[in-house]
Amino acid sequence: ETGVTQTPRHLVMGMTNKKSLKCEQHLGHNAMYWYKQSAKKPLELMFVYNFKEQTENNSVPSRFSPECPNSSHLFLHLHTLQPEDSALYLCASSQEGGLSLGGYGYTFGSGTRLTVV
Amino acid sequence: LAKTTQPISMDSYEGQEVNITCSHNNIATNDYITWYQQFPSQGPRFIIQGYKTKVTNEVASLFIPADRKSSTLSLPRVSLSDTAVYYCLVGDYNNDMRFGAGTRLTVKP
Repeated sequence: ETGVTQTPRHLVMGMTNKKSLKCEQHLGHNAMYWYKQSAKKPLELMFVYNFKEQTENNSVPSRFSPECPNSSHLFLHLHTLQPEDSALYLCASSQEGGLSLGGYGYTFGSGTRLTVV
Repeated sequence: LAKTTQPISMDSYEGQEVNITCSHNNIATNDYITWYQQFPSQGPRFIIQGYKTKVTNEVASLFIPADRKSSTLSLPRVSLSDTAVYYCLVGDYNNDMRFGAGTRLTVKP
């Protein structure tokens, strides 16, 4: 365990379904992130939250909706997804929104493997 | 954000030392250099971080020349379990990390 827990680990959903991915960290970090990783592609930064406020949205389609109720929890609400949205979705957390002197940068969860059918 | 360039892939054999070099010509004064390791279907894992000269921990060494325009991750005596993708990132605490393609290391028996 890395200290960042993602649930579920695997999810299969139809294109008309609504589901949510959950991320939880108890590392005392104040920034959380959603990344998408498609097969054999680099990690794509989707959303950034600093102190519960969304500070970045990298042109992500509206069918992905993030929610950060507090600095320890992050959700990604999914609806009307497309098959090309199938990917590994990774959550990460960090202190002060990024690298810190002598710190460990980003701590990632194990991800949710999403398959849209 | 400083852009990084790494080899797409590398092959090695068990027991060898592996050196992966990353170029970051536009590194800023406040930027740190951090390396991550990612196994399939898992999130990246922190390996080592440095600012200048040499850093060593129980897993790897990081060599950074005086001009800091490149860095080299050194993995001593690799094993099959070191087969993974290795990412070099450059930034400071104000940056949001964007990952490049990384270097896919394959260790052969």
